[in-house]
Amino acid sequence: EAQVTQNPRYLITVTGKKLTVTCSQNMNHEYMSWYRQDPGLGLRQIYYSMNVEVTDKGDVPEGYKVSRKEKRNFPLILESPSPNQTSLYFCASSLGGSQSLYEQYFGPGTRLTVT
Amino acid sequence: GENVEQHPSTLSVQEGDSAVIKCTYSDSASNYFPWYKQELGKGPQLIIDIRSNVGEKKDQRIAVTLNKTAKHFSLHITETQPEDSAVYFCAASGDDMRFGAGTRLTVKP
Repeated sequence: EAQVTQNPRYLITVTGKKLTVTCSQNMNHEYMSWYRQDPGLGLRQIYYSMNVEVTDKGDVPEGYKVSRKEKRNFPLILESPSPNQTSLYFCASSLGGSQSLYEQYFGPGTRLTVT
Repeated sequence: GENVEQHPSTLSVQEGDSAVIKCTYSDSASNYFPWYKQELGKGPQLIIDIRSNVGEKKDQRIAVTLNKTAKHFSLHITETQPEDSAVYFCAASGDDMRFGAGTRLTVKP
């Protein structure tokens, strides 16, 4: 089954404790992206990747890191989480290198709480 | 960059009625306009999209219209059913994709 998977689905952590949210897709998609969803703000892009070893900042990259060493995986790293990073996070992937042309497939989401 | 505004933020309709959600965008270079449906506890899922060379597209009970001159596009759902209840997001994409803030649609049986 074609899908985007994220782990963990739920995470409660404390300020300053490094964490990684994994994302994997099995559709051989070139484009992958991370979003955060907050009430009233919709989906805001954190980082995106057009292909392996190519990553770019989205609208809200501060406090986050990503890597794209393999085509299928795109982990999101919070080196020193803070309470304002409490949010619902979505990973997405798309067929082409240009995000404007293709449907994005979203993962099920990761609800992160930072205390 | 692109800026997308979506209205209304909440919408409640009676089963069988129509629902309309409207979005405006700012970047005239945007050429792809998808609509996503997000059910509780799930990620957004594409329900329909339209490209800039088309003015209207239909898929059963769902239709999208695009007015490039006015920079607005709309989602129309006819004969609404309770399972249409969800949060709907519009998006506009050119060099980058921007999402609207979302509309929570409730269809009352």
